[in-house]
Amino acid sequence: DTEVTQTPKHLVMGMTNKKSLKCEQHMGHRAMYWYKQKAKKPPELMFVYSYEKLSINESVPSRFSPECPNSSLLNLHLHALQPEDSALYLCASSQGLGQGAFETQYFGPGTRLLVL
Amino acid sequence: AQTVTQSQPEMSVQEAETVTLSCTYDTSESDYYLFWYKQPPSRQMILVIRQEAYKQQNATENRFSVNFQKAAKSFSLKISDSQLGDAAMYFCAYNWRNTGFQKLVFGTGTRLLVSP
Repeated sequence: DTEVTQTPKHLVMGMTNKKSLKCEQHMGHRAMYWYKQKAKKPPELMFVYSYEKLSINESVPSRFSPECPNSSLLNLHLHALQPEDSALYLCASSQGLGQGAFETQYFGPGTRLLVL
Repeated sequence: AQTVTQSQPEMSVQEAETVTLSCTYDTSESDYYLFWYKQPPSRQMILVIRQEAYKQQNATENRFSVNFQKAAKSFSLKISDSQLGDAAMYFCAYNWRNTGFQKLVFGTGTRLLVSP
């Protein structure tokens, strides 16, 4: 089973709203990732969590706030977004074997976000 | 810095025919993973095939195979007996490993069109 689920599938929000994206995996993976993908572009890494701790923040604006409440769940809290933040947000997970090991990332179906 | 180049923005193939998608990468590392991901209009990034750099044998997965030329830093994907369901954006990706974290570096993608 290599399933990563994401909710909601679609989200429309105003610039003053607060919303959250949710990602879940039950593969026992200990590394989870958030990517942003603009139309016709490759995904861009935003955050990496390893064993529920934030490992990488790729200089993402503070209006994006990640949270990893447990090893299966990853959230992305959104607040005061801008129209240019409209994109597909992808979650991924991998085993989290640690330094020195190469891993395969498995992606969820994404959340299509539109900021008005 | 690691870079991945996909020089074909779009490719076309007829059903049942064979098509090859090109990918080159630049790295000074000797050990790494390479991936091909497929992203259909449904948006989910689906792992197609993985190649470990230390393996000389080219990876195969059913109708999908790669031609991995490590010295030339080339990693092409061959799709045999193309099917309508193969129509998608295909991303080549390099797994970059640094102290404590891993990162996927994606190419710009090749859109594959499949005609009946």
